[in-house]
Amino acid sequence: EVQVVESGGGLVPPGGSLRLSCEGSGFTFGLFWMTWVRQAPGKGLEWVANIKHDGIEKNYVDSVKGRFTISRDNAKNSLSLQMNSLRVDDTAVYYCTRGAAPSLWGQGTLVTVSS
Amino acid sequence: DIQMTQSPSSLSASVGDRVTITCRASQGISNSLAWFQHKPGKAPESLIYGASNLQIGVPSKFSGSGSGTYFTLTITSLQPEDFATYYCHQYNSYPYTFGQGTKLEIK
Repeated sequence: EVQVVESGGGLVPPGGSLRLSCEGSGFTFGLFWMTWVRQAPGKGLEWVANIKHDGIEKNYVDSVKGRFTISRDNAKNSLSLQMNSLRVDDTAVYYCTRGAAPSLWGQGTLVTVSS
Repeated sequence: DIQMTQSPSSLSASVGDRVTITCRASQGISNSLAWFQHKPGKAPESLIYGASNLQIGVPSKFSGSGSGTYFTLTITSLQPEDFATYYCHQYNSYPYTFGQGTKLEIK
């Protein structure tokens, strides 16, 4: 089955760190851009970051630059998002998606930043 | 940043109706435009890429058009499973951005 599955969400205090993971299966992971998209409670979708096939080119929305790092391991079909200096407004469901224009979405993992 | 403005923000329609949602970009994005369907508690589903190309497995009742700054998503013969929130998304210039969403509700 072609799918991506996220993990790693949870409750973290402001200023804390969390690492999200995403595993792809059923497709050649290393051929695709990969993207993180989030949805805060009651809000719309927000593009967060993406990474090129080879892992060299990475792009971020301004609000997470310097705090979040996207990375990938094509040998393990995995994508990661290291989130540092978390803020309350980072609270959201984080989706792993395949493609620069997302064509496949995971179920999402909830990140709650709260004291 | 490129602003994506969808209209309407919400829409009431009946089963069997045909509806059109529009999406305007604050600057030209060629045809780098995608549409997604999102139901509460579920993963979003990709419907269209390149403004008018259906993703594999998406029924032909969905169609997209446009280029530059003006885009539309049309859904024909609405069925109960089509009632959801729809988002447009530009992937032409960083940071990529989404429209605010259009909530399609059953009348």
